[in-house]
Amino acid sequence: ELQLVDSGGGLVQPGGSLRLSCAASGFTFSTYAMSWVRQAPGKGLEWVSLISGSGGATYYADSVKGRFTISRDNSKNTLYLQMNSLRAEDTAVYSCARVSLAVWGVTDHWGQGTRVTVSS
Amino acid sequence: DIQMTQSPSSLSASVGDRVTITCRASQAISNSLAWYQQKPGKVPELLIYAASTLQSGVPSRFSGSGSGTDFTLTISSLQPEDVATYYCQKYKSVPWTFGQGTKVEIK
Repeated sequence: ELQLVDSGGGLVQPGGSLRLSCAASGFTFSTYAMSWVRQAPGKGLEWVSLISGSGGATYYADSVKGRFTISRDNSKNTLYLQMNSLRAEDTAVYSCARVSLAVWGVTDHWGQGTRVTVSS
Repeated sequence: DIQMTQSPSSLSASVGDRVTITCRASQAISNSLAWYQQKPGKVPELLIYAASTLQSGVPSRFSGSGSGTDFTLTISSLQPEDVATYYCQKYKSVPWTFGQGTKVEIK
């Protein structure tokens, strides 16, 4: 069964750091590009970052560029999001998402999400 | 960056009603448009991609249309299990942008 399990969220002070993880199983992880999407409380979906299957290409939303780093360890079937210089507006549930092989850019599976709260 | 604007932001309709949600792109995106359904407390699920192609397993009462800048998602006969927030998403070139969502409720 395909699974994406997000972890690593928590409460952090403004300016702090956090690393999120997404453990994947049930599919050939290295074949798929992966992304992170977030949803602030009561708000809509926001694409955050994307990484190619090999990890050689990465992309970021302007709102997180220079502060967040996406990476992956294909030997561990795990996706990461390193978040530095966190701001109150980064408060959200962060979910990893698998990019469809059939249709580039479309998400075909989502993790359940991990909650990040940035507050003093 | 291309912005995606959905309307309405919310709607209330009766069971059996035809429901239409609109998504407009600030620039032409060909047919690189997907629709997702997010039920309360759940992760989003893909409904439609390439503007009008139904994802496998999605009920046929859902349909999508449009190209360029204007797109629609139609539920031909609203069912209680369709209560959810619906998002459009522009894809292919990054950044991948979502609309702000349309919350659908039963009257």
